[in-house]
Amino acid sequence: AQSVTQLDSQVPVFEEAPVELRCNYSSSVSVYLFWYVQYPNQGLQLLLKYLSGSTLVKGINGFEAEFNKSQTSFHLRKPSVHISDTAEYFCAVIIVGSARQLTFGSGTQLTVLP
Amino acid sequence: NAGVTQTPKFQVLKTGQSMTLQCAQDMNHNSMYWYRQDPGMGLRLIYYSASEGTTDKGEVPNGYNVSRLNKREFSLRLESAAPSQTSVYFCASSESVGGRGIDTQYFGPGTRLTVL
Repeated sequence: AQSVTQLDSQVPVFEEAPVELRCNYSSSVSVYLFWYVQYPNQGLQLLLKYLSGSTLVKGINGFEAEFNKSQTSFHLRKPSVHISDTAEYFCAVIIVGSARQLTFGSGTQLTVLP
Repeated sequence: NAGVTQTPKFQVLKTGQSMTLQCAQDMNHNSMYWYRQDPGMGLRLIYYSASEGTTDKGEVPNGYNVSRLNKREFSLRLESAAPSQTSVYFCASSESVGGRGIDTQYFGPGTRLTVL
C-alpha cells in the first residue's frame, strides 16, 4: 500500500526567509514522488516530480526537493520565499509498476508574512 | 487554449437531488480524472478514464457515476446527493493513455458543491 504524510498542516514564515515543507511516504518498494501547489481559488499545478536519477529535483518558482530513500522522505525547500508563494502544497506518491493511482497527502498551508 | 474547464463553479443542492458536473479539456489528453477535496484530507480520486471509452473506480466512487462522452469531455453525476458529498470537486487531465498519474496532471478550477 502507498500512503503519504505531510507532517505540518500549517507553516507560517516571514518573507525572504527559507522554508522546508516535510513529506514522508510509506512504501518499501520504488516510488515516484510529486509536489503540487494550489493557489487560492485555483486548481492544482505541478511544482516538481522525482521519477529517477538525481535525488535533488528542481522545480518551478525556485522550489527544490530532495528524495531520501533511507528516510522515505521528499521534503520541499525554497531558500527565500515571497508573498506570492502563499498557497497550499500537496505531496503525492505512486508505486512504480503499480496499477494504483496517485495518492495525495493532506496538504500544507504555507503562509508568507510581510 | 483554455486548458481544463469545469461547470458550474458553485452549486447548492438539497438532499436527494441529482446533478451533473461537466469537465472539458482542449489539450488532446487521453486520461481524465475526477477528485474531491475535503479539509485536512487532500485530494481523493473518485473515478478516472484512462482513455476514451473507458472508466474505472478510484478510491471513493460510491454515490457517483461518470461518463467519458468523447476524448474532450468527462462528466461526473450525483444521482441522489447527500450532505457527505459536500466538497470541492476537481477535474484533471493528463497526456498519456493509461492514466496512472505519472505524467503531469492539469487541473480545472474546481466546483464548490454544498448539499443541504
